[in-house]
Amino acid sequence: EIVLTQSPGTLSLSPGEGATLSCRASQSVSSSFLAWYQQKPGQAPRLLIYGASTRATGIPDRFSGSGSGTDFTLTISRLEPEDFAVYYCQQYGSSHTFGQGTKLEIK
Amino acid sequence: QVQLVQSGAEVKKPGASVKVFCKASGYTFTNYYIHWVRQAPGQGLEWMGIINPKILSTGYAQKFQGRITMTRDTSTSTVSMELSSLRSEDTAVYYCARDEIGGQRGFDYWGQGTLVTVSS
Repeated sequence: EIVLTQSPGTLSLSPGEGATLSCRASQSVSSSFLAWYQQKPGQAPRLLIYGASTRATGIPDRFSGSGSGTDFTLTISRLEPEDFAVYYCQQYGSSHTFGQGTKLEIK
Repeated sequence: QVQLVQSGAEVKKPGASVKVFCKASGYTFTNYYIHWVRQAPGQGLEWMGIINPKILSTGYAQKFQGRITMTRDTSTSTVSMELSSLRSEDTAVYYCARDEIGGQRGFDYWGQGTLVTVSS
């Protein structure tokens, strides 16, 4: 099973700042089958990025994904108040696994 | 519009079984896998398994093998997930989510979640 490790566990930033979230896989993720989701309290997750770098429909361009192999990054430029949430990475190249999440909180 | 609507909250005793339903609408039911993902209170997301509604093939996470069953009813575009031998650690919100067959584009629509509470 591919294990995904996200860092940091919690990220404290202010609106307007940029955020960099990391997701490291225990084995190479085939064909960059890596997705990112945002989850707010009491809500279902929302797909942000798939294929490591493709934004899902309706996702603002301040969200971007990059990486390949075992190292992936979600970057949020110019944080908006609604961006403060928990973010999960997911690999779907070998079955499916999620990272443990990164909480992005307001500083 | 695409919707995945799940059945309501359940309270079960340890050792019992629970069946959660996910009704799809707004798209061609057989063109998308349905996955089940759960989230224990205050915890992260855990993938449980997948069903292909077109050919009724399933795949389950090893952790749940032997006590999970997924099936579908194409006449009502509904998928169900049954989990047996429940224990307190199964208390969680259970989500269904769709994934385009052959699309490899992640889980683009999710159900609203169903809280299953296991308590004596």
